[in-house]
Amino acid sequence: DAGVIQSPRHEVTEMGQEVTLRCKPISGHDYLFWYRQTMMRGLELLIYFNNNVPIDDSGMPEDRFSAKMPNASFSTLKIQPSEPRDSAVYFCASSLATGAETEAFFGQGTRLTVV
Amino acid sequence: GENVEQHPSTLSVQEGDSAVIKCTYSDSASNYFPWYKQELGKRPQLIIDIRSNVGEKKDQRIAVTLNKTAKHFSLHITETQPEDSAVYFCAAGGRGGNKLTFGTGTQLKVEL
Repeated sequence: DAGVIQSPRHEVTEMGQEVTLRCKPISGHDYLFWYRQTMMRGLELLIYFNNNVPIDDSGMPEDRFSAKMPNASFSTLKIQPSEPRDSAVYFCASSLATGAETEAFFGQGTRLTVV
Repeated sequence: GENVEQHPSTLSVQEGDSAVIKCTYSDSASNYFPWYKQELGKRPQLIIDIRSNVGEKKDQRIAVTLNKTAKHFSLHITETQPEDSAVYFCAAGGRGGNKLTFGTGTQLKVEL
């Protein structure tokens, strides 16, 4: 397996534009997480899914952020409209439920810059 | 919800010395404590983890200890090498749902 795949790797956009980040989890994994990483706040969990269903979105900062998982192999995180303070590295991670907590595998991340 | 605190935020050691990073957590229901290493510009990767049914786990130069009573756990790296230089994150999970709460990270620098 190629691991968790995110696209794009880098995104530069103007304030007010819509941004869509994409993630393909490891095949067979049933949990998918979206994290945001900044120097000030570290790694923040934004939302996570189990079997394509959103379980906890309490970390989503504002209504401008939304996430979907239409099937087991694809998820998106959308920001509309984007603002400069959204600039960060966004990581997607996936894991497999085995009855006990297991390792979360991270994608390479998307570095978002909003100017 | 869970709150994880991590100290120190930066740590500089001489090559060959030991490094210790400490974390505390707030939710007594947490029972899974992984440590991730993140090199500059790369993704976090698991280096070691421990579950609440053990107090210590070792893997070569890396060890993790857990004190459930005090709600703290630590990462120990012995005989540090320059390639150990990275940011290290602790995390806590176990309320179900594989959800992890991360500490704020420790920038470890191993100097020659």
